[in-house]
Amino acid sequence: GAVVSQHPSWVICKSGTSVKIECRSLDFQATTMFWYRQFPKQSLMLMATSNEGSKATYEQGVEKDKFLINHASLTLSTLTVTSAHPEDSSFYICSARDLGTGGSYEQYFGPGTRLTVT
Amino acid sequence: GNSVTQMEGPVTLSEEAFLTINCTYTATGYPSLFWYVQYPGEGLQLLLKATKADDKGSNKGFEATYRKETTSFHLEKGSVQVSDSAVYFCALTGSSNTGKLIFGQGTTLQVKP
Repeated sequence: GAVVSQHPSWVICKSGTSVKIECRSLDFQATTMFWYRQFPKQSLMLMATSNEGSKATYEQGVEKDKFLINHASLTLSTLTVTSAHPEDSSFYICSARDLGTGGSYEQYFGPGTRLTVT
Repeated sequence: GNSVTQMEGPVTLSEEAFLTINCTYTATGYPSLFWYVQYPGEGLQLLLKATKADDKGSNKGFEATYRKETTSFHLEKGSVQVSDSAVYFCALTGSSNTGKLIFGQGTTLQVKP
């Protein structure tokens, strides 16, 4: 089946530093990837839509200069949290939409990355 | 805007009990509806989906029917197992083909032997 990986699975960084999270579709091509943020015991909040070869589209209220998204290939999207602060601590989840499924809305989710900013 | 509301958890059941997790939605047009499941330590997995009114999605003994008149998509299973313990998310995508998913807050299910 379709597999999406994320790296790292867990990261701790100091306040003011930047952290990059990778999202890869391992056995399919994804023109579109999505980045979500999940707070403890809460739902997933869509942050941005990442399209291969073009700029990401950010949801209202998400700072695009803070959360940099790059979708350089059909199998890789990266999220960089710049100048991280403790309030950025969260669980970040990506999903990838299978190019082969055409108009289907099915997405495949990565296992998530736990970011802790100290 | 579009939104999804799920019943709050946690839901605790004994093995072989009947499960219902309520989900209602607000959306313009004709959304597609989904249930995702998140097992401990794993990513979300699609459990079932329905793309138009009166469709019934089913998988692994779980069922949900797209009810446009009540704007609902309740998840049911006749006999739960311990292995069904997980967090369940109801979600929708809007009529446009953006693929954006809007999630409910998730419901934790605990099944005890």
